[in-house]
Amino acid sequence: NAGVTQTPKFQVLKTGQSMTLQCAQDMNHEYMSWYRQDPGMGLRLIHYSVGAGITDQGEVPNGYNVSRSTTEDFPLRLLSAAPSQTSVYFCASSPGNQPQHFGDGTRLSIL
Amino acid sequence: SQQGEEDPQALSIQEGENATMNCSYKTSINNLQWYRQNSGRGLVHLILIRSNEREKHSGRLRVTLDTSKKSSSLLITASRAADTASYFCATAGSQGNLIFGKGTKLSVKP
Repeated sequence: NAGVTQTPKFQVLKTGQSMTLQCAQDMNHEYMSWYRQDPGMGLRLIHYSVGAGITDQGEVPNGYNVSRSTTEDFPLRLLSAAPSQTSVYFCASSPGNQPQHFGDGTRLSIL
Repeated sequence: SQQGEEDPQALSIQEGENATMNCSYKTSINNLQWYRQNSGRGLVHLILIRSNEREKHSGRLRVTLDTSKKSSSLLITASRAADTASYFCATAGSQGNLIFGKGTKLSVKP
């Protein structure tokens, strides 16, 4: 099992550009989520999904969209990148109310 | 919304020494988890302690939970350089997510 795979690992964008951060898991987990990690802020929940076709907002959803068409994939879209979205983004999955498995993150810089 | 607060924020010790990190939380919990994050990597689950447990061991890790004080501690015995990482406590949020503290950055010097 590869676990949770995130691509790309690094990305630099210009303000106003859009992009999609990819997340895939091969453990057949129903629950998937996106966090952002900023210095001194810990991890904050952006969006989450409890199964294919079901998504909901977390603590800091503004500027981000998600979709869940399959159990395996949970992409995060930045609609119009802003410097405030410079962060490290982590995708996580779990089989319900269990410890979560994290990807290695995408380091995103927005100029 | 931050639930856990780790203390200290940073800890530097010599190899072979014990490292103790503390976590305080605000609301009642079903369980509390500890995660480790190596530099440039994702978080890795270490141990989960349920609200009806007071102490749990896993290898060189010992976790205690005091629900009356809303606090937990993580003890790493006989630290190694490879234990250098950030350590986070986490409790369950209402959305199936985890609510993390800001973490303790542990540095173990050879």
